This record gives sequence, structure tokens and C-alpha cells, in this order.
Amino acid sequence: QVQLQESGPGLVKPSQTLSLTCTVSGGSISSGGYYWSWIRQHPGKGLEWIGYIYYSGSTYYNPSLKSRVTISVDTSKNQFSLKLSSVTAADTAVYYCARVSGGPPNADYWGQGTLVTVSS
Amino acid sequence: QSALTQPASVSGSPGQSITISCTGTSSDVGGYNYVSWYQQHPGKAPKLMIYEVSNRPSGVSNRFSGSKSGNTASLTISGLQAEDEADYYCSSYTSSVSWVFGGGTKLTVL
Repeated sequence: QVQLQESGPGLVKPSQTLSLTCTVSGGSISSGGYYWSWIRQHPGKGLEWIGYIYYSGSTYYNPSLKSRVTISVDTSKNQFSLKLSSVTAADTAVYYCARVSGGPPNADYWGQGTLVTVSS
Repeated sequence: QSALTQPASVSGSPGQSITISCTGTSSDVGGYNYVSWYQQHPGKAPKLMIYEVSNRPSGVSNRFSGSKSGNTASLTISGLQAEDEADYYCSSYTSSVSWVFGGGTKLTVL
């Protein structure tokens, strides 16, 4: 059973960089066949895809966030990470990591989510 | 504004059937058979219920079914149960953004 767990600061100051890590257990990121994704949900709102990464390092980002987003992978630790720069209050959200199928985007395993608040 | 349009809310009584629509364009819903549906209970992560328009992952009740006509996809829940009360999101592959979600629909079981 694949499990994902987000970790990182729950509070980030405006203009700083939000950094989160997703640790995967029960399966290897390096095995291929899946993309590893970050998705966020603003309080009381819908889901927004941020981007995903393949184990090889290939990345795909939501164009609306692309200029501020970096997703990286560390296969030795079976982790992937999100960095979102120049954050504002509008980036306050629950951030989820998820495993996404390698063809059509279907997220079959999700982390529990972590709330990140942007505030001074 | 979400790329895919869903009704804000739907409701039904136990045992009834309900349908949630998801409207996009020929660049997403209408152009690919890559529509998925997710169920989200309060405070929980979303759960994949339907993928590639009409396929159910292992373990998902056959009371959940999906379909598509043109630029609109639909999720139907039959034999409504109290535990089905949740938010439902559609998503689709899109040629421009790669992956987009609908705004979500709150299902109330009366």
C-alpha cells in the first residue's frame, strides 16, 4: 500500500519561499510509471493542480504558477519536493502530494494534506 | 474561475439517484476520454472514484458510474446513501494546462 506524507512549515511569511516535502512509502518513486504531483486547495475552495514530476526529473507545471514553482525529486530518499517563491496570502491553502498515473492524470494515492498559512 | 464547470450543490434522498455534471470544452473534456471524479469528505484528502470517464478503481462501489457526451461529463450515484454526502470534483487532461479540476459540487443526502 503506497502512502504519502507531506512535511514542512505551516507558517510562511509573505515574499518568502514555501517549501514542502512529500515522503513516499510502500513503493519506489524510481520504479517509474507514475508522476508525483502537488495539488492545493484554498480554504473552502476547489482543487488546483500545481505540477508534477517524473522520477527522471521531467517536470510539468500549471502555467498560472510556473514562474514561481519548482518541483524536484530525490530518489535516494524516495521523496519529492515543492518550492513556491514570492508567496502572498493568496497562497494560503492545504497542500497535497499525490501519485498520478503515467498516462491520463489520475491521482490514486494522496497524502493527508498540510495547511500552509502565509502571514507575517 | 475553475476551468471545468460543476453545479455548486445537488441533493437527493436515500435510495435515489443523482447526477453531477462537469462541463468543459473541446480542449479538455470533449477532446479526451481522460475525465476523472474525486470524492472528498470534510477534512480528508480526495479519493479517486472514476477514471477515464467511466472506469472504477478497485474497491469503489458500483453505485458510482461515469459517462460523457460532447463537452460534458457526468457522475451518477445510484442508491444514494448517507455516507455519499461529500464534495465531488471532476478533472480532465487539457491540451493547454495538462490537468484541470472543476469547482466542486457539494452533495447533500436529505
